[in-house]
Amino acid sequence: DAKTTQPPSMDCAEGRAANLPCNHSTISGNEYVYWYRQIHSQGPQYIIHGLKNNETNEMASLIITEDRKSSTLILPHATLRDTAVYYCIVRSDFGNEKLTFGTGTRLTIIP
Amino acid sequence: DAGVTQSPTHLIKTRGQQVTLRCSPISGHKSVSWYQQVLGQGPQFIFQYYEKEERGRGNFPDRFSARQFPNYSSELNVNALLLGDSALYLCASSRGGDTAYFGPGTRLTVL
Repeated sequence: DAKTTQPPSMDCAEGRAANLPCNHSTISGNEYVYWYRQIHSQGPQYIIHGLKNNETNEMASLIITEDRKSSTLILPHATLRDTAVYYCIVRSDFGNEKLTFGTGTRLTIIP
Repeated sequence: DAGVTQSPTHLIKTRGQQVTLRCSPISGHKSVSWYQQVLGQGPQFIFQYYEKEERGRGNFPDRFSARQFPNYSSELNVNALLLGDSALYLCASSRGGDTAYFGPGTRLTVL
């Protein structure tokens, strides 16, 4: 699986959009970009995933660049409950379910 | 629908003992994966089982073993516990090859 690079930490004001970047320059054509988050001592929570096109669900939006070498997770209106470690993961969806977690981005929402 | 459930929530063992952790996947999910998360790091992949067969194994010693039952639930066994096995053990389930959803984890402390 391709390696990902994320900033170690970010702050965002409550009510503003939080934009979390991820670099995955060695991503292959059949690899998806997944985002999970982990609130202190809980199991990781699935947020969103995508292959090429931008994706949106009730939690977030995922913007993937045209060359697929980077992506941005957008939390449109951050709340204090969005404070967590956010993991960007690249994986193939063909049988290989191993998720390779890096160190993620620690997002702190500031009141 | 109920999410992934794990038991027990917390566990304290002493060095040299053996431990069994249990996981019940989301209804309809046939794949279960196990991860170990030590303090301050991202989860590390241990095993994946699909339809009772091992589909993937991470870089863990033979003291770690797992199995999946006909109802798709799973057990993770760790023998000859070491202090370094103290961690949050996470179980994730999926239909097979698609998005994995995590349980709350079992916190193992080895004294």
